[in-house]
Amino acid sequence: GQQLNQSPQSMFIQEGEDVSMNCTSSSIFNTWLWYKQDPGEGPVLLIALYKAGELTSNGRLTAQFGITRKDSFLNISASIPSDVGIYFCAGPMNRDDKIIFGKGTRLHILP
Amino acid sequence: SAVISQKPSRDICQRGTSLTIQCQVDSQVTMMFWYRQQPGQSLTLIATANQGSEATYESGFVIDKFPISRPNLTFSTLTVSNMSPEDSSIYLCSLSTGGGYTFGSGTRLTVV
Repeated sequence: GQQLNQSPQSMFIQEGEDVSMNCTSSSIFNTWLWYKQDPGEGPVLLIALYKAGELTSNGRLTAQFGITRKDSFLNISASIPSDVGIYFCAGPMNRDDKIIFGKGTRLHILP
Repeated sequence: SAVISQKPSRDICQRGTSLTIQCQVDSQVTMMFWYRQQPGQSLTLIATANQGSEATYESGFVIDKFPISRPNLTFSTLTVSNMSPEDSSIYLCSLSTGGGYTFGSGTRLTVV
């Protein structure tokens, strides 16, 4: 079945640094979703991508839908303490509305 | 976008008991989804709940363990039955909002 491989699993960075994480799949996706989960909360949608090659920004966040439709990346520029959390990539399974999630990238910001 | 109210937000339960989690949406939605997030893990889909029909369960999840109700287009419940410590997880409801998926804030369940 479809799987999403997300890397890195965790990151430790200094405040102000840029962050890059990516997600690859074993099969083609038609939609890529990037979520952030804060402790004790449900995931919140950051960016949704619908077309191969699409590059979309949301403030300091930028995500791209890979040309092959089997990968996507998320960049965070000039990280701040509130960026700490778990970032998940996700996409719909086959043709129905169900989505699967990558294992997440845990972002830590060093004091 | 739709707002989901999920409760309880957390609970500590004795093994062998059952807990029912509720999700209320402020608008009518056709499909609702229930996910489980085990400690330190990603989200795994349990089942899809459509109003007026039985829920569709994913591999590894069965109705006897996770019965779901969907009495109308704004409400759903998930019951975790005959709980064991392995059921300690965060349980989340979700719905498709035409452009993404909205999640409830989750129910953090600890089974002792």
